[in-house]
Amino acid sequence: DARVTQTPRHKVTEMGQEVTMRCQPILGHNTVFWYRQTMMQGLELLAYFRNRAPLDDSGMPKDRFSAEMPDATLATLKIQPSEPRDSAVYFCASGLVPLGQQGGKTQYFGPGTRLLVL
Amino acid sequence: GQQVMQIPQYQHVQEGEDFTTYCNSSTTLSNIQWYKQRPGGHPVFLIQLVKSGEVKKQKRLTFQFGEAKKNSSLHITATQTTDVGTYFCAGSLAGGGNKLTFGTGTQLKVEL
Repeated sequence: DARVTQTPRHKVTEMGQEVTMRCQPILGHNTVFWYRQTMMQGLELLAYFRNRAPLDDSGMPKDRFSAEMPDATLATLKIQPSEPRDSAVYFCASGLVPLGQQGGKTQYFGPGTRLLVL
Repeated sequence: GQQVMQIPQYQHVQEGEDFTTYCNSSTTLSNIQWYKQRPGGHPVFLIQLVKSGEVKKQKRLTFQFGEAKKNSSLHITATQTTDVGTYFCAGSLAGGGNKLTFGTGTQLKVEL
């Protein structure tokens, strides 16, 4: 049963510290998404990768957030320095878009990283 | 930018009552998906609608895609406690790749 995995599941840190969240997409999937979920803003898309290339990170605060895919099995989201307003659940999702096709395809979400910045 | 709104924001029902959530997009969609998120969980894919006017059923759940492809609805017949959670619609634009814009969600609570 293939699943998206995320680590850590929970993180409590102090303001100003660096936070790194990791995601392992489902093997063979070629799209990876990072979302942030809060009560106030709902589910917000932060970044979107296809075949490891960043396609859209317009939803991500550029001054402190960065997202990368060092290889096809690992996606990372970093916050440096972290702030209390970054407290949220961060979800990674992956999907498969066949070559030459467009359009929304099913996204498979990981369990999320619950981040609390004090 | 594209916006996807859902109403109601919250719905509290007695077990056995029906439930409907409505999804409205500011722009015409290529397709729409529905996800369910249980409390403390993550969004899980339910269904995708692609065609104008399409209706799909999954047991007690009925999904519709509007003729103009700008709105959608999810109807649950005879709710059960297992239906508790937040229901999100998510739309994609033609040429938008695999990017989805999630709706604001409708939180459903079911009482015995």
